[in-house]
Amino acid sequence: QITLKESGPTLVKPTQTLTLTCTFSGFSLRSSGVGVNWIRQTPGKALEWLALIYWNDDKFYNPSLNSRLTLSKDTSRNQVVLTMTNMEIVDTATYFCARSLRDYHFLTGYYPRSFDYWGQGTLVTVSS
Amino acid sequence: DIQMTQSPSSLSASVGDRVTITCRASQSISNYLNWYQQRSGKAPKLLIYSASTLQSGVPSRFSGSGSGTDFTLTISSLQPEDFATYYCQQNHGNPPYTFGQGTKVDMK
Repeated sequence: QITLKESGPTLVKPTQTLTLTCTFSGFSLRSSGVGVNWIRQTPGKALEWLALIYWNDDKFYNPSLNSRLTLSKDTSRNQVVLTMTNMEIVDTATYFCARSLRDYHFLTGYYPRSFDYWGQGTLVTVSS
Repeated sequence: DIQMTQSPSSLSASVGDRVTITCRASQSISNYLNWYQQRSGKAPKLLIYSASTLQSGVPSRFSGSGSGTDFTLTISSLQPEDFATYYCQQNHGNPPYTFGQGTKVDMK
């Protein structure tokens, strides 16, 4: 059974750095092709993909947030950590982690097939 | 970025109805298109990947079609547990992997 769970602060102040942890079970980031994403959902329900880390430590970030995001993984603890610097009120959202399996297409190369398992999400409010 | 536009934004339907939701990409994405269902207060759940492949465990009343820029999610006979919001999402080429704005299906 595959599960993921997000953890971290529920409230951060503007300009602070947010650190979120995704703890998962039922799969391993030692396995070829496996990746973990971070996705957020605004209060208005819009979904935004943030970042992806693969088993081989390849990392991809949303260019609109690239300079603020950092991903890391702890394979032995089955965890992926996202840090987001300089938090703003508009970053208030529910943050999800989700698994992907890497696929390949001869025209476009490697890509994450889908977000096939999701955590329950954690609501982060940015307020002074 | 590739923009994904869903229509309608919401619809009202009854149990047993056939429901169709459309998703349009701002450029061709071949079949790099996934569909998710999100029930109230829950995380999104993958229904269909690669435009038309049903995720394991998803009921066969859900189906997807399309290629290029135009895609469709169809629920052949709406069930009570299908009242939810549905999102399309593209994973073509380089990031970011973008979502549609969602289509809320509620009870007529």
